Amino acid sequence: DAKTTQPPSMDCAEGRAANLPCNHSTISGNEYVYWYRQIHSQGPQYIIHGLKNNETNEMASLIITEDRKSSTLILPHATLRDTAVYYCIVRVNTGNQFYFGTGTSLTVIP
Amino acid sequence: EAGVAQSPRYKIIEKRQSVAFWCNPISGHATLYWYQQILGQGPKLLIQFQNNGVVDDSQLPKDRFSAERLKGVDSTLKIQPAKLEDSAVYLCASSLANRVSTDTQYFGPGTRLTVL
Repeated sequence: DAKTTQPPSMDCAEGRAANLPCNHSTISGNEYVYWYRQIHSQGPQYIIHGLKNNETNEMASLIITEDRKSSTLILPHATLRDTAVYYCIVRVNTGNQFYFGTGTSLTVIP
Repeated sequence: EAGVAQSPRYKIIEKRQSVAFWCNPISGHATLYWYQQILGQGPKLLIQFQNNGVVDDSQLPKDRFSAERLKGVDSTLKIQPAKLEDSAVYLCASSLANRVSTDTQYFGPGTRLTVL
């Protein structure tokens, strides 16, 4: 079962930052938070992951709270091509299994 | 670097027929996963292989679904006989190795199955 909770949908204006929240209150100390997105009719695409510290790459930033019970994915300058379903996943360490929830459907508005 | 390849991309069959899907993971990736994604839901893990051995198949409906990865590279997923509720996208993913703290999974484009 998914160990995360996300809002079902969000809108964001093109060019603005998109902030996608995720709750994972039962996360264990050595479990990673992963973010993927899925554009219509494609397979999920890896975005970023983290354990404790904030992370940044060319696609996004990941902010993890100090107690690790929640995180936020930040797309700094959203474009129309960022319209997708975004999944927040807590990775099970024992077998690298991912349990997906229903994600957040992000719509970037022109 | 080539990504995860899947075929066919689309398949339409009638209920009670059989169907097979093929997956070629990223070169050098030891772990392979099959997921089922029903419309409006997130992907659900069906089976996980480490090389040619099964790591987890707890959510695979074994009365009708089977999967193999005989030489530790390509994999096939079969449904026999298909039911209407098997209509879904079947996704294959691969990762470098199991039990690694930062083992990222990479997904293929999926096979969309429609059972009539």
